[in-house]
Amino acid sequence: GQNIDQPTEMTATEGAIVQINCTYQTSGFNGLFWYQQHAGEAPTFLSYNVLDGLEEKGRFSSFLSRSKGYSYLLLKELQMKDSASYLCAVPTGANNLFFGTGTRLTVIP
Amino acid sequence: GAGVSQSPSNKVTEKGKDVELRCDPISGHTALYWYRQSLGQGLEFLIYFQGNSAPDKSGLPSDRFSAERTGGSVSTLTIQRTQQEDSAVYLCASSRQAQGAREKLFFGSGTQLSVL
Repeated sequence: GQNIDQPTEMTATEGAIVQINCTYQTSGFNGLFWYQQHAGEAPTFLSYNVLDGLEEKGRFSSFLSRSKGYSYLLLKELQMKDSASYLCAVPTGANNLFFGTGTRLTVIP
Repeated sequence: GAGVSQSPSNKVTEKGKDVELRCDPISGHTALYWYRQSLGQGLEFLIYFQGNSAPDKSGLPSDRFSAERTGGSVSTLTIQRTQQEDSAVYLCASSRQAQGAREKLFFGSGTQLSVL
């Protein structure tokens, strides 16, 4: 089976850096996704990691350690618009993407 | 279309009534997923369609739930004899299906279903 653990809520200050952690257990690893979901809106794709290491994409970076079953999303130079839920997800089998419950990030001035 | 379109955006119904939720995926996307998101919960997989293959219904919570996809495009999720625990946001997503579940998903804005 699959399991994903993420912190439920985080708060960070505008302009700061925040790291959102995700630990997972899955049989047959096929990469790890991060999605962003603003309140009342659709989730949108942020990143997909299949190899160990850090992948940087502008203010957002995603890290993966397959041996530790661990990933994190790093958000730099936080902006108010970054307030959202961040969902960690792993493919399971051929058809399904298993999502964690998400981390709700609140950015404060 | 430019994105995944879902309708209605909100649906309020009485317990015991049937409801139909519609999803229009991105043109050319062969894979279509339905997920359910209850308050404070993660996205729960319901059903998956890929081309003309038999759908993966393994996530449907009961036989009151069914879905179809006509012509490989538009999909309808039907919930019969709705119950209060069916209240949730129902999200549809599509993808190119080039690499199965490793392909990124494009989500619609969802249908907020409230069963009174």
